[in-house]
Amino acid sequence: QKEVEQNSGPLSVPEGAIASLNCTYSDRGSQSFFWYRQYSGKSPELIMSIYSNGDKEDGRFTAQLNKASQYVSLLIRDSQPSDSATYLCAAWNSGYSTLTFGKGTMLLVSP
Amino acid sequence: DAGITQSPRHKVTETGTPVTLRCHQTENHRYMYWYRQDPGHGLRLIHYSYGVKDTDKGEVSDGYSVSRSKTEDFLLTLESATSSQTSVYFCAISPGTASSGYTFGSGTRLTVV
Repeated sequence: QKEVEQNSGPLSVPEGAIASLNCTYSDRGSQSFFWYRQYSGKSPELIMSIYSNGDKEDGRFTAQLNKASQYVSLLIRDSQPSDSATYLCAAWNSGYSTLTFGKGTMLLVSP
Repeated sequence: DAGITQSPRHKVTETGTPVTLRCHQTENHRYMYWYRQDPGHGLRLIHYSYGVKDTDKGEVSDGYSVSRSKTEDFLLTLESATSSQTSVYFCAISPGTASSGYTFGSGTRLTVV
């Protein structure tokens, strides 16, 4: 069973701080990873994808991938109250073209 | 999202009745998926489709069936609804490439009483 593990949180950070969200995956064959943000009562929306070892930056968001450690992370700089949501990590299953999701980490950014 | 719609948005049904949820896309994507989301379990794959009339089971397929007679429509049927199927159901679409990920619909909140 392919698994993606996340700490459920909540992770509480003050406004303006860096939020660090982490994820590990079990399938060493997974090559692509995605971060989704889900506000309460809404559907998940894609915010970042990463395929290569190292960092990928997009605005205030940086995704990090370490395939040797099977570890993916998402950093949110200058966190805002509007970033308060649940963040889902997902690994792409190439053989099936499906995503396996972690259970999500709730982020709370306090003003 | 504009390219994917789910209907209905909310439904209350009685135990033992059949229920069909509809997912419609305008993106012409090859892959369509049905997930359910429950507290403590996250998003779990029910069924997915990789083309017209081509479907496969996910990890929680018991009690569900699907059909895809057109590229744009993917139907999820609960053959005889049970209280354990009370959940939020999400449809998603994808071109099926490793770089693409999914786009999700707005979800259907189903309550079985």
